[in-house]
Amino acid sequence: ELKVEQNPLFLSMQEGKNYTIYCNYSTTSDRLYWYRQDPGKSLESLFVLLSNGAVKQEGRLMASLDTKARLSTLHITAAVHDLSATYFCAVDMTSRDDKIIFGKGTRLHILP
Amino acid sequence: GAGVSQTPSNKVTEKGKYVELRCDPISGHTALYWYRQSLGQGPEFLIYFQGTGAADDSGLPNDRFFAVRPEGSVSTLKIQRTERGDSAVYLCASSLVGASGGLQYFGPGTRLTVL
Repeated sequence: ELKVEQNPLFLSMQEGKNYTIYCNYSTTSDRLYWYRQDPGKSLESLFVLLSNGAVKQEGRLMASLDTKARLSTLHITAAVHDLSATYFCAVDMTSRDDKIIFGKGTRLHILP
Repeated sequence: GAGVSQTPSNKVTEKGKYVELRCDPISGHTALYWYRQSLGQGPEFLIYFQGTGAADDSGLPNDRFFAVRPEGSVSTLKIQRTERGDSAVYLCASSLVGASGGLQYFGPGTRLTVL
């Protein structure tokens, strides 16, 4: 059974600092996704990572994938208050079934 | 263009009642997903449609839950004999081609409260 674990689950940090959110998964995956969710809102897709070594960047966020370690990271550079949200990673195995399994999310609070 | 829409945005019902939740995907998106999200948790997969057929319904918790997508566009999630434990936000997402992955676009969700 595919399991997806994120850490930390809660993170409070100062503006201007760098930090990394980790996403580990238990079995071979076809794709890994990162999403952002603001309180009371739906999910916004950030990145999809398809292959080992994939790196994608958008603004202050950079996501990477290491399929051998079954690990993805979401790195935040020089955090700003607007990045406060909950970040989810999700993994799918659509070559074997069509489920997409989400982690529990990392609630990020950036202090001004 | 228009994104994924869901109606109603909020639904309050009594235990034992029947409810229908509607999802309008982005036009042309063949893949459609339903998820359920409880407070403080990540979305939980329920069912995936590719076109009109349910390609994977293994996430539906029991036989009180059923979903259809008769014309390959709009989908309806149906819950019979609702229970308090069914209270959650029900999210719908669509993507261009599910089998090859790509970004999913989520709707705003329907908040279901079962009293």
